[in-house]
Amino acid sequence: EDQVTQSPEALRLQEGESSSLNCSYTVSGLRGLFWYRQDPGKGPEFLFTLYSAGEEKEKERLKATLTKKESFLHITAPKPEDSATYLCAAQYNNNDMRFGAGTRLTVKP
Amino acid sequence: DGGITQSPKYLFRKEGQNVTLSCEQNLNHDAMYWYRQDPGQGLRLIYYSQIVNDFQKGDIAEGYSVSREKKESFPLTVTSAQKNPTAFYLCASMTGRNTEAFFGQGTRLTVV
Repeated sequence: EDQVTQSPEALRLQEGESSSLNCSYTVSGLRGLFWYRQDPGKGPEFLFTLYSAGEEKEKERLKATLTKKESFLHITAPKPEDSATYLCAAQYNNNDMRFGAGTRLTVKP
Repeated sequence: DGGITQSPKYLFRKEGQNVTLSCEQNLNHDAMYWYRQDPGQGLRLIYYSQIVNDFQKGDIAEGYSVSREKKESFPLTVTSAQKNPTAFYLCASMTGRNTEAFFGQGTRLTVV
């Protein structure tokens, strides 16, 4: 069974304190690696899709990178409004899309 | 506006009843997905469909059924065989180029 594992489970940062979230995935048959943000009681909001090792994408304070076996979501100088759960998902050749359990990020002012 | 709509937002079910959750999209996407999310957990795949009249089971399909008679619609029925149905249900659709998946705002199902 394809696996997606995220770490840490929870992360508390001070405003301005940069950090990274990790997503490791089953490599075989990967078509795309997705990052989402989810606020409580809402559906996930799309952030990035990565397709090949070495690829990077940025949006405001967020940057996603992909290696051969894991992906990182780097958060630079976070603000309290960045507090949310960040989800990683991997799509495979059979088109199913599997999610990790998420990292719950809290940014304190 | 284009998007994906789930209804109802909240749903209460008595034990032993079947209920159907609606998911409609006007994005012209071929692929659609149903996920279940329990408190503090990630999304678990129930069913997905790549084209009309075709769907595949995910990891936790037991006690659920789906249909895909139209491209725009992918309803999920939670049957009485699902022993622990209280959860947050999310529907998604994906572009043909698999560049991103769009999610609805979810249906919170509670068994009373």
